[in-house]
Amino acid sequence: AQSVTQPDIHITVSEGASLELRCNYSYGATPYLFWYVQSPGQGLQLLLKYFSGDTLVQGIKGFEAEFKRSQSSFNLRKPSVHWSDAAEYFCAVGARYSGNTPLVFGKGTRLSVIA
Amino acid sequence: DAGITQSPRHKVTETGTPVTLRCHQTENHRYMYWYRQDPGHGLRLIHYSYGVKDTDKGEVSDGYSVSRSKTEDFLLTLESATSSQTSVYFCAISSPAPGTYDTGELFFGEGSRLTVL
Repeated sequence: AQSVTQPDIHITVSEGASLELRCNYSYGATPYLFWYVQSPGQGLQLLLKYFSGDTLVQGIKGFEAEFKRSQSSFNLRKPSVHWSDAAEYFCAVGARYSGNTPLVFGKGTRLSVIA
Repeated sequence: DAGITQSPRHKVTETGTPVTLRCHQTENHRYMYWYRQDPGHGLRLIHYSYGVKDTDKGEVSDGYSVSRSKTEDFLLTLESATSSQTSVYFCAISSPAPGTYDTGELFFGEGSRLTVL
């Protein structure tokens, strides 16, 4: 079975600074990988996904993530953070060739943005 | 936005009463899920369905049951609500990953906030 770890519970960055949120997974093959964002009181919205192909994935709202097989990681990045990016971010991993096995979610990283 | 509707959005109930949450989709997706979200625990899977009348347990299924009699509806029932079931409940749907039968990306509803007194 797959598993995922988000090592940082809470990160604070200044508006305009760069951002990197960490995601590490454990799975015996190449997984499917996802990043979701959740604003307060809202449901989760998909930021980006990796199924196959180019390991650098572009998403919505200026986010990108890079799949690094050697490091079992799928870190989320943004070059310049805006105050509206303050939210909770979840990484999720899916199992390939597994039929209906559900995605496994990390516990989330809360992002605070300061002026 | 994916066509997912959860009802009710907010509910306050008393310990020992039954509660049913409904998830309705208009996307005709095969897979449907119920998660609960609690501070410090992230999202935890309660039950999921991979077709009409086909359901399976997640990691926190005790005290919950589900039913799916139609593709578009997935019901979550708390037979006798307890205070530990106070939470925000999210329904999600999924289509398979491209060219496979594997679970693909999930689309989430807006959540149902349940308070058990």
